[in-house]
Amino acid sequence: AQKVTQAQTEISVVEKEDVTLDCVYETRDTTYYLFWYKQPPSGELVFLIRRNSFDEQNEISGRYSWNFQKSTSSFNFTITASQVVDSAVYFCALSEGGGYNKLIFGAGTRLAVHP
Amino acid sequence: DTAVSQTPKYLVTQMGNDKSIKCEQNLGHDTMYWYKQDSKKFLKIMFSYNNKELIINETVPNRFSPKSPDKAHLNLHINSLELGDSAVYFCASSKTGTLTGELFFGEGSRLTVL
Repeated sequence: AQKVTQAQTEISVVEKEDVTLDCVYETRDTTYYLFWYKQPPSGELVFLIRRNSFDEQNEISGRYSWNFQKSTSSFNFTITASQVVDSAVYFCALSEGGGYNKLIFGAGTRLAVHP
Repeated sequence: DTAVSQTPKYLVTQMGNDKSIKCEQNLGHDTMYWYKQDSKKFLKIMFSYNNKELIINETVPNRFSPKSPDKAHLNLHINSLELGDSAVYFCASSKTGTLTGELFFGEGSRLTVL
């Protein structure tokens, strides 16, 4: 069965600290996609990144970086020099196989960045 | 222009009532979805339509009935509302229904059943 685990329910940091959000997934498919979404206090879901199962290269986008490791079934997300605007709930998600796009979401990690 | 728009954004109603939430996307996408986010922020897919055809139907009470009159619209009708239906309902769309399709979400419709 497909499953996404975000073990950290809440993280609290002070501005400018680096923070890593963990994501561990389970799937029997060889082809799959992993995603991160951000849900700020305003409530919308904002797409951050998509990574396919054949591309294990790490990705950096500004202060955001992602580390995908198939050997440990993890897709972790790091925010460098966190800012108050990074405060949000972050969701990791897995796209199930079988041809149709069905995102399986983790429970989310609530990040609070304090000034 | 909002890419995926839902109406209403807030809905407060009594148990037993019937209500609908509407969704429209102007991205030209083929596939649309309804997701439910409960009070603990847990997100779960309910339905998906590809070119007006139902392709994903999760274990959802049959009081919930989606309708897609065309590719750009996916509505959700809920009969005999129950307290447990209180949640935020997100509509989403993707270019295709396949794995590669990034989902674009609407802003959510917060339903409160009293």
